[in-house]
Amino acid sequence: AQTVTQSQPEMSVQEAETVTLSCTYDTSENNYYLFWYKQPPSRQMILVIRQEAYKQQNATENRFSVNFQKAAKSFSLKISDSQLGDTAMYFCAFMKLFGGTSYGKLTFGQGTILTVHP
Amino acid sequence: NAGVTQTPKFQVLKTGQSMTLQCAQDMNHEYMSWYRQDPGMGLRLIHYSVGAGITDQGEVPNGYNVSRSTTEDFPLRLLSAAPSQTSVYFCASRPQQGRGNTIYFGEGSWLTVV
Repeated sequence: AQTVTQSQPEMSVQEAETVTLSCTYDTSENNYYLFWYKQPPSRQMILVIRQEAYKQQNATENRFSVNFQKAAKSFSLKISDSQLGDTAMYFCAFMKLFGGTSYGKLTFGQGTILTVHP
Repeated sequence: NAGVTQTPKFQVLKTGQSMTLQCAQDMNHEYMSWYRQDPGMGLRLIHYSVGAGITDQGEVPNGYNVSRSTTEDFPLRLLSAAPSQTSVYFCASRPQQGRGNTIYFGEGSWLTVV
């Protein structure tokens, strides 16, 4: 079974600054996806970024980038030029890529509440 | 394109009552699942389905029933509601393996059991 751990229950950052959210995971699988989801107060689940484990290059989406360290089983999210609209709960999640009954199941971390201050 | 639609959005139940949370998707996705979100615990998988007629238990299945008679619909039934089932429930879907890895979430259903 997979586990995902987010060790920072809350983080805060000033507008326009950079913040990094941490995520570690434990798995014996070699093929998987890792995700960061954003959940604003509306509770909508919004995909921020996705990383395929077989890709060495770190994923980037505009102001969002990840630092994927497969050997260390670490998957941190960096938000550059933070904006007030980035205020939300952020979840790290793991999904096995192939195989049987595990297909498509997401395992989530506990979440990190990020507050961006003006 | 509606995506994943959950109803109702809000519901208050009395202990012991039964109800069904509806989930429908119009993307012809084979895989559908139900999660619950509780404070400090992230989302946890309740039940999932890999196609019509096929369902299986997730991490926290007790107190919930599901069925999948069509590709589009995946209802979650609470047979006898308990206060411990007060939570926010999310339905999700994704296409079959090899046809994309994006998971689509509904907007959530807030359930309070008193």
